Amino acid sequence: SAVISQKPSRDICQRGTSLTIQCQVDSQVTMMFWYRQQPGQSLTLIATANQGSEATYESGFVIDKFPISRPNLTFSTLTVSNMSPEDSSIYLCSVERNLNTEAFFGQGTRLTVV
Amino acid sequence: AQTVTQSQPEMSVQEAETVTLSCTYDTSESDYYLFWYKQPPSRQMILVIRQEAYKQQNATENRFSVNFQKAAKSFSLKISDSQLGDAAMYFCAYRSGGGANSKLTFGKGITLSVRP
Repeated sequence: SAVISQKPSRDICQRGTSLTIQCQVDSQVTMMFWYRQQPGQSLTLIATANQGSEATYESGFVIDKFPISRPNLTFSTLTVSNMSPEDSSIYLCSVERNLNTEAFFGQGTRLTVV
Repeated sequence: AQTVTQSQPEMSVQEAETVTLSCTYDTSESDYYLFWYKQPPSRQMILVIRQEAYKQQNATENRFSVNFQKAAKSFSLKISDSQLGDAAMYFCAYRSGGGANSKLTFGKGITLSVRP
């Protein structure tokens, strides 16, 4: 398994501002991902956080809106930029030790934009 | 593209009874993995059970077992002796077996309530 610490657990933000979410893993992992989960909905993959290079974004998500960093094999951040109420969601960090193994998830960040 | 379908948005079960959650998927691949994840109100996604497509034997984890029907592309989860702590949202997920670009595809989820 993996112990994942995701911060903050929740936040209420003003529209037009940005929020950075942190994901810290207790040991090195190969893969790190960021998901969005809108209220009562399933998980949608935002991007794969690549260590030492630019993240790989899924269709509908762009770097200017969701910049991601991954400086090492245990840490990543997701920034939600220039927020609007439509960005209100749960954001989840996920990790996998190796390819095609189980995914482990952080506790999620519940973001409300007002 | 692969799709995962959970057609029941909600289910309810009496404590100590058995419940089955349905999941179907669509793929043209022969090598893949299937998962059931549980998300309680705490939001923490927890892996319940995993099935490799090449294995004919259905996976079992204590009170949780699956009925994997590869030809029918069906992957249902059976929870025996339901407990109050089983109340949560359950997601079925698919992953291709092929390499670095393999991603998890989730179904829409099903909310399970357990009646005392």
